[in-house]
Amino acid sequence: EAGVAQSPRYKIIEKRQSVAFWCNPISGHATLYWYQQILGQGPKLLIQFQNNGVVDDSQLPKDRFSAERLKGVDSTLKIQPAKLEDSAVYLCASSLGLAGRKYEQYFGPGTRLTVT
Amino acid sequence: AQTVTQSQPEMSVQEAETVTLSCTYDTSESNYYLFWYKQPPSRQMILVIRQEAYKQQNATENRFSVNFQKAAKSFSLKISDSQLGDTAMYFCAFMKPPRKLTFGTGTRLTIIP
Repeated sequence: EAGVAQSPRYKIIEKRQSVAFWCNPISGHATLYWYQQILGQGPKLLIQFQNNGVVDDSQLPKDRFSAERLKGVDSTLKIQPAKLEDSAVYLCASSLGLAGRKYEQYFGPGTRLTVT
Repeated sequence: AQTVTQSQPEMSVQEAETVTLSCTYDTSESNYYLFWYKQPPSRQMILVIRQEAYKQQNATENRFSVNFQKAAKSFSLKISDSQLGDTAMYFCAFMKPPRKLTFGTGTRLTIIP
């Protein structure tokens, strides 16, 4: 079974530029998550999708971050414009669903973003 | 809101020894799930072990076991016969489905040859 795929693995941009990250979840997984992991901290949820609907985006800085999950499969996370404090690893995770053991999340390798 | 605290930023142990990582959490929920995740230097987060709060029996997965103390809100991870491949960041996490995972700040574990 293929795992969660993310691209790119690394990205370096200047502040005020824009950037986009892509995530392909495990086949059949209805729930998709984007996390931000700043160096030395645990991951923090940015947004959670159930199919193509948003379940939780309470910690997404909506003035600069946006995310979409078209057709309930792949997802894209965008930052525009980027700030220095956005330097972090962006992790995508997926799970079968939200009930019972379906909640278990599987993580991708992450995208390391450096904003200079 | 739930909080998860890992009070040991770094730990090191000799290969083949046993090590225990600590985790405490704060919640008013009665039914929830607790997890330990491992994040090796390659950064792929891997689930190590899970514990359902309604189960009194502590979870075990091969060399990994937990000590779950619900009343004390404590959830420690014990790694027996530690191996070089156990070197990683370890995160304790809390979840009340269908809500998000709340992670601690992690413990960096180094296994010394």
